[in-house]
Amino acid sequence: QKEVEQDPGPLSVPEGAIVSLNCTYSNSAFQYFMWYRQYSRKGPELLMYTYSSGNKEDGRFTAQVDKSSKYISLFIRDSQPSDSATYLCAMGGFGNEKLTFGTGTRLTIIP
Amino acid sequence: DGGITQSPKYLFRKEGQNVTLSCEQNLNHDAMYWYRQDPGQGLRLIYYSQIVNDFQKGDIAEGYSVSREKKESFPLTVTSAQKNPTAFYLCASSIPGTGEHEQFFGPGTRLTVL
Repeated sequence: QKEVEQDPGPLSVPEGAIVSLNCTYSNSAFQYFMWYRQYSRKGPELLMYTYSSGNKEDGRFTAQVDKSSKYISLFIRDSQPSDSATYLCAMGGFGNEKLTFGTGTRLTIIP
Repeated sequence: DGGITQSPKYLFRKEGQNVTLSCEQNLNHDAMYWYRQDPGQGLRLIYYSQIVNDFQKGDIAEGYSVSREKKESFPLTVTSAQKNPTAFYLCASSIPGTGEHEQFFGPGTRLTVL
């Protein structure tokens, strides 16, 4: 079993829809959680970073963490064609600088 | 502008040849990382270095080698021992020990073995 599981998609939704992206994990040592966005043939860029259970909002993006269920989500409101990309979840434990990544979900927003 | 540069963007190699991928950062970060990305497998850690002249193997180090002679540079050599080297290679950096775990990524190098 992989430490981090992420649905690879692909996921296609119409413009303006709410998108939900999810990851589950098995390692209880993971204490901080990130979402990266990666456009085709580019390096990933950090979208959201959180280390506590609950919600964190930044504009149209909301990151949700449920440590008791070992489940994290990224919600995108009012999705735009420019949101079309691959979204990677990543997580790590304090005292360990290494990140463990999910496989990524490829998202397409249809105009 | 501060950031991470990787060169070349595209690289072609014949079987049996070693090839070196460049990674340079001017963010003054102590830690640097090399990842390999294949379709459907996410990012897998090859090597990482938390300080100059020191580096550790990641999850898939076999067939790769690195050096860290300068803080700003972390080149990766893909040797002929790497059985399936065709992939997208990403370099990243971070500031260890500060509680800020974000890794900043370069634009990547796509290596193709002919």
